[in-house]
Amino acid sequence: EVQLQQSGAELVKPGASVKLSCKTSGYTFSNYYMSWLKQMPGQNIEWIGNIYGGNGGTGYNQKFKGKATLTVDKSSSTAYMDLSSLTSEDSAVYFCARMGYYYDGTYYYGDYFDYWGQGVMVTVSS
Amino acid sequence: DVQMTQSPSNLAASPGESVSINCKASKSISKYLAWYQQKPGKANKLLIYSGSTLQSGTPSRFSGSGSGTDFTLTIRNLEPEDFGLYYCQQHNEYPPTFGSGTKLEIK
Repeated sequence: EVQLQQSGAELVKPGASVKLSCKTSGYTFSNYYMSWLKQMPGQNIEWIGNIYGGNGGTGYNQKFKGKATLTVDKSSSTAYMDLSSLTSEDSAVYFCARMGYYYDGTYYYGDYFDYWGQGVMVTVSS
Repeated sequence: DVQMTQSPSNLAASPGESVSINCKASKSISKYLAWYQQKPGKANKLLIYSGSTLQSGTPSRFSGSGSGTDFTLTIRNLEPEDFGLYYCQQHNEYPPTFGSGTKLEIK
């Protein structure tokens, strides 16, 4: 059974940084991309970026470049996201989500999110 | 970025009824649209991808249709566990983008 277990809620001060974790099990970590997504209260879901479990290669939404840094630890099948220089606009629920894909014999298709973590609330407040 | 417009924002229905949720893309996304269910305290659940392909474990009362810019999620014979928030997401190009959500409530 595929599982993504995220770390607990965070209360952080403005200007500080926070590191979120997403520990996975039930599948081969190095064969998939992991994405991180943001959802502010009552708002849309936004894609922050993704990282390949095999080699740590990353891609970011332009909006979040400089704000988020994605890393992985293959030995523990865990993905991490560092958020820096936090402001009230960073208060949100953050999700990790595995990116699903399929192969039709010629091409790979994907970029949807087939398994999600439970989400972690980050509150930025002094 | 591709803008996704979802409608309606809120929907009320009774168990046993059928409902439809619409999603419109700001440009053609071919067939590459996914639908998700979000419920408090539970991980988000992928229901459908590539417009009409049911994810493993999705009940057959869910169906997806559409291509290009206009898509529909239909739920037939609503069950109590179907009530919650539904989001569409285009997976045709980067960055992936989501609709604003539809809240399906019990009438």
